[in-house]
Amino acid sequence: DAGITQSPRHKVTETGTPVTLRCHQTENHRYMYWYRQDPGHGLRLIHYSYGVKDTDKGEVSDGYSVSRSKTEDFLLTLESATSSQTSVYFCAISESLGREGLSEQFFGPGTRLTVL
Amino acid sequence: AQKITQTQPGMFVQEKEAVTLDCTYDTSDPSYGLFWYKQPSSGEMIFLIYQGSYDQQNATEGRYSLNFQKARKSANLVISASQLGDSAMYFCAMREIGTGGGNKLTFGTGTQLKVEL
Repeated sequence: DAGITQSPRHKVTETGTPVTLRCHQTENHRYMYWYRQDPGHGLRLIHYSYGVKDTDKGEVSDGYSVSRSKTEDFLLTLESATSSQTSVYFCAISESLGREGLSEQFFGPGTRLTVL
Repeated sequence: AQKITQTQPGMFVQEKEAVTLDCTYDTSDPSYGLFWYKQPSSGEMIFLIYQGSYDQQNATEGRYSLNFQKARKSANLVISASQLGDSAMYFCAMREIGTGGGNKLTFGTGTQLKVEL
């Protein structure tokens, strides 16, 4: 199994508070991703990183920011949490692009966030 | 338009039978990849199988095979000899090479498979 951990695994917070989720990998993979999973929507990409200090927006980036100061860590921050950000958050990693520029992503265990 | 469509919200199959989970995709990129992931009730995402757009043969991994029909833009997952442990949510996903760097995946909404005795 790919070495990916997420912390915290569960969090309950109140509307308007800042929240930071951490993703840590031990695989030295270049690419890291944050997704959210909601019923009826599958997984949707929030932000991703293609190297230290190199990040870009995904499909649902509003209200989220990210940072990657080290290869192994990718942080997702909700500056002011809202109830619509209640979700399960997954971190994923992938290697540098392989055959045809494609390689699978490996997922962390997920963080269940509830915003009251 | 949805890039990945999974039209079966739920499926039932008898143990030891084969089952096909449907996935259609929409892209104008000539280079892309299609992936299937399994999510059991415990919540983790498990990579199952992958097919590249230029692959001539359908991908297989143990009891999983991907029925890739490029002209129809479909990439159905076939699970042979279903087991109780196959009960899970299954997601189809696509990576379009032309969208640039990042190996980003677009996911479908998933199919919940229940294997019965």
